[in-house]
Amino acid sequence: EAGVVQSPRYKIIEKKQPVAFWCNPISGHNTLYWYRQNLGQGPELLIRYENEEAVDDSQLPKDRFSAERLKGVDSTLKIQPAELGDSAVYLCASSLGSGTYEQYFGPGTRLTVT
Amino acid sequence: AQTVTQSQPEMSVQEAETVTLSCTYDTSENNYYLFWYKQPPSRQMILVIRQEAYKQQNATENRFSVNFQKAAKSFSLKISDSQLGDTAMYFCAFNTGKLIFGQGTTLQVKP
Repeated sequence: EAGVVQSPRYKIIEKKQPVAFWCNPISGHNTLYWYRQNLGQGPELLIRYENEEAVDDSQLPKDRFSAERLKGVDSTLKIQPAELGDSAVYLCASSLGSGTYEQYFGPGTRLTVT
Repeated sequence: AQTVTQSQPEMSVQEAETVTLSCTYDTSENNYYLFWYKQPPSRQMILVIRQEAYKQQNATENRFSVNFQKAAKSFSLKISDSQLGDTAMYFCAFNTGKLIFGQGTTLQVKP
């Protein structure tokens, strides 16, 4: 069974440029998560989807971040415009359902903003 | 507020020895799950072990076991017979519907 797929694995951009990350969850997983992980820290939730509905986006900086999960499968996280402080690893995870189901993580996208 | 604290930023252990990583948490919930995740340098986060808060028996997975003290809100991970492949960052996390991670402990297994 394929795991959570993310692309790209690495991205370097200049500040004020836009950037997008893509995630394909494990087949059959209804719940999808985007996390941001700063260097040396634990991941922090940005947004959680139940199928195509964003049910928890309280930690998403909505002035510059946006996300979508069309058809309840793949998801895209976008930053526009990027700031130096956005440099981090962006992790996608999926689970069968919300609550206490085990979450499976993708390899992440390391973003560097210069 | 729900928080997870890992007080050991870095630890090292000799190969084949035993090491214990500490974790404490704070929550007012009674039903929750606790996890230890491993993140090797390649960054893929992998679940090591999980513990349901309503279970008194400590979880074990091969060389990995936990010491769960619900009253003390403590959840430590013991790694027996440490192997070089255990070198990674370890995160304690708990889930009451939202997964909250600690700051992580970097473990170095030395040959």
